[in-house]
Amino acid sequence: GENVEQHPSTLSVQEGDSAVIKCTYSDSASNYFPWYKQELGKRPQLIIDIRSNVGEKKDQRIAVTLNKTAKHFSLHITETQPEDSAVYFCAASILGAGSYQLTFGKGTKLSVIP
Amino acid sequence: NAGVTQTPKFRVLKTGQSMTLLCAQDMNHEYMYWYRQDPGMGLRLIHYSVGEGTTAKGEVPDGYNVSRLKKQNFLLGLESAAPSQTSVYFCASSYPTGELFFGEGSRLTVL
Repeated sequence: GENVEQHPSTLSVQEGDSAVIKCTYSDSASNYFPWYKQELGKRPQLIIDIRSNVGEKKDQRIAVTLNKTAKHFSLHITETQPEDSAVYFCAASILGAGSYQLTFGKGTKLSVIP
Repeated sequence: NAGVTQTPKFRVLKTGQSMTLLCAQDMNHEYMYWYRQDPGMGLRLIHYSVGEGTTAKGEVPDGYNVSRLKKQNFLLGLESAAPSQTSVYFCASSYPTGELFFGEGSRLTVL
């Protein structure tokens, strides 16, 4: 089955700096890569996703890049703010195969220091 | 529109007891899932369902059973609870291609 590795497990940045979280996946058939944000005590929520026919996607201060050859994808957060502090999870799956199993990374705890 | 609702939100069990977690969604989603979340382990899929009357095993299915008798409901059962099943359980639902919508989570402690 799919295996998703996520690094780093913890990340501290100064407010206004950029943060980068990296993930690798094992199954070359995976074609959908979402990122979820989980604030303390809350449910995970989708913040951005990318499909394998796209190399990069941006949404305001967040962006995701995908390198299919190397089987890795990254989340970039620019101009970080205290409200960006949360645990971020990457995930990978194969869409269109009759099922939809997301395999998650173990998470990155991001702390933005004011 | 409540989205995904889980009950109960908190429960304490003794080893060997049984219980059922209920998940209900009002978004007419075909797919539903049960995940468990443990510190440093991310979200691990227990069981999932791609439609009413169907269920399938995920990554960590042992010790759990599920049922999807109605499209809007997905039940997770523990027949004989063990301390290793102490965790936060999240239900989620989705269309076949797209975003997972999670419930608020159910914190289970097995003593």
